[in-house]
Amino acid sequence: DIQMTQSPSSLSASVGDRVTITCRASQTITSYLNWYQQKPGKAPKLLIYAASSLQSGVPSRFSGSGSGTDFTLTISSLQPEDFATYYCQQSDTSPLTFGGGTKVEIK
Amino acid sequence: QVQLRESGPGLVKPSQTLSLSCTVSGGSVSSGSYYWSWIRQPAGKGLEWIGHIYTSGSTTYNPSLKSRVTISVDTSKNQFSLKLNSVTAADTAVYYCARAQWPVRHVDYWGQGTLVTVSS
Repeated sequence: DIQMTQSPSSLSASVGDRVTITCRASQTITSYLNWYQQKPGKAPKLLIYAASSLQSGVPSRFSGSGSGTDFTLTISSLQPEDFATYYCQQSDTSPLTFGGGTKVEIK
Repeated sequence: QVQLRESGPGLVKPSQTLSLSCTVSGGSVSSGSYYWSWIRQPAGKGLEWIGHIYTSGSTTYNPSLKSRVTISVDTSKNQFSLKLNSVTAADTAVYYCARAQWPVRHVDYWGQGTLVTVSS
């Protein structure tokens, strides 16, 4: 299985901050990397697919980059509604696997 | 707008079979290029992909569960289903049904999730 490692596992940030979350795959996944946001008690929500494509309806402050094994999710200016847990997922090879999550908390 | 909704027992006894259905509205399980998927999340933990069935009917399962899992489609009800045999407490989780798009297999629609507890 391809292991997905996210860092950090948690972070504290203030409204307006620029936030970067990284995801590393244990082997190359080309650009088959997706990012999700999950709030407590809710299903995950797709933010970014294919490493850098913004899902329809997702604010442009979210962006993704990377290819191969190293990927980044960036929130350019953190908003109150962005406090949540973020997961990366590789969809290159079955079994599809997720990172362990990054919890973004209010500083 | 596609909507998915899980249904099934919230409590299953150890060694029995967990059975869930997912009703799809706003779209058809038998058309398009989609992977109809099951994903689970134990309380306070991360997400685990269980498997999916493609629009063509082909299935792919997580090897860690493959011997116990069956995913099938009922086109007459516009539903797809999950069966997980020989459950233990480790199978206690919120189960999500979801739709993933070909070819990237990113999940663009999720059900609300249903908690299944394995306990006697």
